[in-house]
Amino acid sequence: GAVVSQHPSWVICKSGTSVKIECRSLDFQATTMFWYRQFPKQSLMLMATSNEGSKATYEQGVEKDKFLINHASLTLSTLTVTSAHPEDSSFYICSARSPWGNTIYFGEGSWLTVV
Amino acid sequence: AQRVTQPEKLLSVFKGAPVELKCNYSYSGSPELFWYVQYSRQRLQLLLRHISRESIKGFTADLNKGETSFHLKKPFAQEEDSAMYYCALMSGATNKLIFGTGTLLAVQP
Repeated sequence: GAVVSQHPSWVICKSGTSVKIECRSLDFQATTMFWYRQFPKQSLMLMATSNEGSKATYEQGVEKDKFLINHASLTLSTLTVTSAHPEDSSFYICSARSPWGNTIYFGEGSWLTVV
Repeated sequence: AQRVTQPEKLLSVFKGAPVELKCNYSYSGSPELFWYVQYSRQRLQLLLRHISRESIKGFTADLNKGETSFHLKKPFAQEEDSAMYYCALMSGATNKLIFGTGTLLAVQP
């Protein structure tokens, strides 16, 4: 089946620094990718829709300048958490829409801890 | 407003017992509904979607538009079914997946 890979799987960074998480569709081209955030024992909250070659569409309440999303190619979207704070610590998950059957595949997630 | 509700945070059953994970939705239009499963330490994966009307790993789900429900059922639970189950709705206008809060299914031996 289709594979979506995230990197890194986990990262620890200091407050005030920026950290980038990559999301790749390994065996298909994805014009649309999605970024979610999941707090412990809670559901996935959609942060933004990443569109190849255009600006991301952010959900209400998500700071565009804090969570920078770039979808520069059909197989790569990146999420950069800028000026990270401890409250940004979370599990970030990306997904990509396949070009067939409208199926969405998920990455394995990335744990971010800001200290 | 588009919304997915899973009323049970935890469902514990014994092996061999029937399982029903509840899901209700709110959507103006014709929804596309999904069940996703997340096994321990694994990524979220698609279990089934209503338009396929298929049975995966013994699970089935029927869309009931009158009751706005899409409950997930399995006649005989297995220990390996223990996982987190998420019901999701895809908005036709935006093609975004909206998730419920999830139900943790624990199948006891």
